[in-house]
Amino acid sequence: DSGVTQTPKHLITATGQRVTLRCSPRSGDLSVYWYQQSLDQGLQFLIQYYNGEERAKGNILERFSAQQFPDLHSELNLSSLELGDSALYFCASSGQGNQPQHFGDGTRLSIL
Amino acid sequence: GQNIDQPTEMTATEGAIVQINCTYQTSGFNGLFWYQQHAGEAPTFLSYNVLDGLEEKGRFSSFLSRSKGYSYLLLKELQMKDSASYLCAGFSGNTPLVFGKGTRLSVIA
Repeated sequence: DSGVTQTPKHLITATGQRVTLRCSPRSGDLSVYWYQQSLDQGLQFLIQYYNGEERAKGNILERFSAQQFPDLHSELNLSSLELGDSALYFCASSGQGNQPQHFGDGTRLSIL
Repeated sequence: GQNIDQPTEMTATEGAIVQINCTYQTSGFNGLFWYQQHAGEAPTFLSYNVLDGLEEKGRFSSFLSRSKGYSYLLLKELQMKDSASYLCAGFSGNTPLVFGKGTRLSVIA
């Protein structure tokens, strides 16, 4: 158990819809990262938050947005969903400095 | 940006030793992490190197040469459950990790 909690585990929805994925980091971790992993693809970094502030942005589409709340949990919002958005979405958290990232179990998003 | 290169696939025999290599441009990274990821599951942290040399952790060891932009993960006494993807990731300060595409290891009897 990594200590990072993601909900829901599975999500099935239709094109054009909007969904929200939730992540609670490990106790004490201030950094939260979101990644997308499509079938047989590598991890694509989307966005990082540190203590409520956006720290870095990767290959995140304009249809996607995220935020980190005062209690440090984070949400990733995906809107105007397309078939190609079907993927595993992972959240990871880490402490300060060169600390390893620990990953949640992911949310599997299926767009029908 | 930084690129990290790893072989796409490897096959090894149960009980054997396998070395998974990872190369990157020498500028930019302060060190490397290694993760294991079984299909459909979350990546699990294995080891990290911030200094040159070998870090040993049970059946897993990781090596880093920063001057050569080279790292490897060594797995000993391979077990069937070691069949997974192994991800190399470079880090630099507080910037996000840069992940390689992973090496899919198949352990055969």
